[in-house]
Amino acid sequence: GIQVEQSPPDLILQEGANSTLRCNFSDSVNNLQWFHQNPWGQLINLFYIPSGTKQNGRLSATTVATERYSLLYISSSQTTDSGVYFCAVEPTGRRALTFGSGTRLQVQP
Amino acid sequence: DTGVSQDPRHKITKRGQNVTFRCDPISEHNRLYWYRQTLGQGPEFLTYFQNEAQLEKSRLLSDRFSAERPKGSFSTLEIQRTEQGDSAMYLCASSLAQGSYEQYFGPGTRLTVT
Repeated sequence: GIQVEQSPPDLILQEGANSTLRCNFSDSVNNLQWFHQNPWGQLINLFYIPSGTKQNGRLSATTVATERYSLLYISSSQTTDSGVYFCAVEPTGRRALTFGSGTRLQVQP
Repeated sequence: DTGVSQDPRHKITKRGQNVTFRCDPISEHNRLYWYRQTLGQGPEFLTYFQNEAQLEKSRLLSDRFSAERPKGSFSTLEIQRTEQGDSAMYLCASSLAQGSYEQYFGPGTRLTVT
């Protein structure tokens, strides 16, 4: 099956810093989503981005499908950004999402 | 527009007992998915429905697991003869079948098998 690798696995930032999270995938995809999982386990949709670039406030994402990677940018980080960020892809021909192992982000005041 | 809801939010059961979880998708979504998440891992796909038809099942879905979506609306996931290894967060998601396939997740049911 498709492999999804996220880096870095852990990231500690000071409030106000910027960061880039990366997601590499091993095969063609129909769909790519970025999620933030809060401490209570709820997966919060950040971006639905099979290709191209999107921005939402301090967050933006870019997917280069032909090169099989996606990037999530967090600018001016806040303590509320802490949590686990997951990249998930839907391989071509399937409807199930395959998740990476996540990036655990801790933003310190 | 309410989101995906799941019930119960927490379930503690003894090994060998049967448990059933419910998921109510976003009302206009005709696809419904079940995932399982263990500590420190990303969610793993279990099965999905389009309307009432179960179209795909993961090899993770052993014979002790069964899922239904009888009227194409809510879904249930039953685990028979629970084992300690079944302890996990069970997540439900829903999406449209056309246009955007973006999946939206419920809050999950956390199962603890003692």
